[in-house]
Amino acid sequence: QVQLRESGPRLVKPSETLSLTCTASGDSINNYYWNWIRKSPGKGLEWLGFIHSSGVANYSPSLRSRLSMSADTSKNQVSLNLTSATVADTAVYYCARDHPTSGYFDHWGQGILVTVS
Amino acid sequence: SYELTQPPSVSVSPGQTATITCSGDALPKKFAYWYQQKSLQAPMVVIYEDNKRPSGIPERFSGSSSGTMATLTITGAQVEDEAEYFCYSTDVSGKDSVFGGGTKLTVL
Repeated sequence: QVQLRESGPRLVKPSETLSLTCTASGDSINNYYWNWIRKSPGKGLEWLGFIHSSGVANYSPSLRSRLSMSADTSKNQVSLNLTSATVADTAVYYCARDHPTSGYFDHWGQGILVTVS
Repeated sequence: SYELTQPPSVSVSPGQTATITCSGDALPKKFAYWYQQKSLQAPMVVIYEDNKRPSGIPERFSGSSSGTMATLTITGAQVEDEAEYFCYSTDVSGKDSVFGGGTKLTVL
């Protein structure tokens, strides 16, 4: 059973880069799609994008200019970088794995609250 | 960008049927997924590919999709079903994935 844990700075200053890492245990990140999803205070869920273990990525059009993701198979980690952070990027950030055949998010991290202030 | 539209809230009494809708232009061609999120917890899928239920999800949860609308139905809603429900899907290109705005289900 794979377990996911998000980590990174919980406080980011405006205009700086928000960087998070998702570490997988119990299974390899190889051959899976890994998604980043966030939930801002008082708002709904927002899909940010995905990174495949091969390095293929796809980002939400609204964040594409500021967002990048990467995968490090040697560390069994995926990462997110969001540049030029603003207060609007304050949210709980989740990493979530795609089910291999059915396209839903079958495993989630517990989430990490990042405040931009 | 692509949008999915849900009602902000639905309220039912225990044992009644709760129906949550999700509308989107690409739903005739793309699957809908439904996620349940309880306070302070990570979301959890309750329906995938329009109408399939993952193992461990109670049978009272069902899904359907017709035209531009997907529907999550909870037949005989329980107090423990009180949560926020989000639909999820992609645009016709498959490149832009979005969640609906979420529906707060109250069971009391």
